[in-house]
Amino acid sequence: DAGITQSPRHKVTETGTPVTLRCHQTENHRYMYWYRQDPGHGLRLIHYSYGVKDTDKGEVSDGYSVSRSKTEDFLLTLESATSSQTSVYFCAISERGVEAFFGQGTRLTVV
Amino acid sequence: QQQVKQSPQSLIVQKGGISIINCAYENTAFDYFPWYQQFPGKGPALLIAIRPDVSEKKEGRFTISFNKSAKQFSLHIMDSQPGDSATYFCAASKGASGTYKYIFGTGTRLKVLA
Repeated sequence: DAGITQSPRHKVTETGTPVTLRCHQTENHRYMYWYRQDPGHGLRLIHYSYGVKDTDKGEVSDGYSVSRSKTEDFLLTLESATSSQTSVYFCAISERGVEAFFGQGTRLTVV
Repeated sequence: QQQVKQSPQSLIVQKGGISIINCAYENTAFDYFPWYQQFPGKGPALLIAIRPDVSEKKEGRFTISFNKSAKQFSLHIMDSQPGDSATYFCAASKGASGTYKYIFGTGTRLKVLA
């Protein structure tokens, strides 16, 4: 398995609180992605990174921000969590954009 | 233009049968079409992928058929087994622009009956 670790694996938080999810890789891959998975919507891209400090928005970026200060870490922040952000979040990595490896996911519940 | 449409939403197949999942895309700039398999509680894992310069790719019991003119591609699982029961996602990406963003279909839940 590709060396991807997501933390935490499960989190319950209250509406309006900030939340940060972490993705850590040991593969030294250039590209990193954050997706959310919801029933009926498949996997939707939130943000992605194509290098240290190089990030861009995906199709559902509103309410989310990201940072990548090191090759191995890609952080996803919900500035003020809402119930609509209850989801399973997946991090993925790719070296040349050819094959993406996914982490185990983080189940986030906003109450 | 970025959408990838996947069907059916769910599929039930008898053991030994053929499972077929279809996807259609709109953006002709897409140049890489993978299929991912996901088991409950796990992240998606790459199953097989194809580029638009070939019409078919086979790996074991899994085959991708690609129709560039129709902008469609499909996954065929031959001799389906209960262990193939999972959710399958098609995806498309365009690497030429350098962004390598993956756009996923909505998924197909496959159940293979023993």
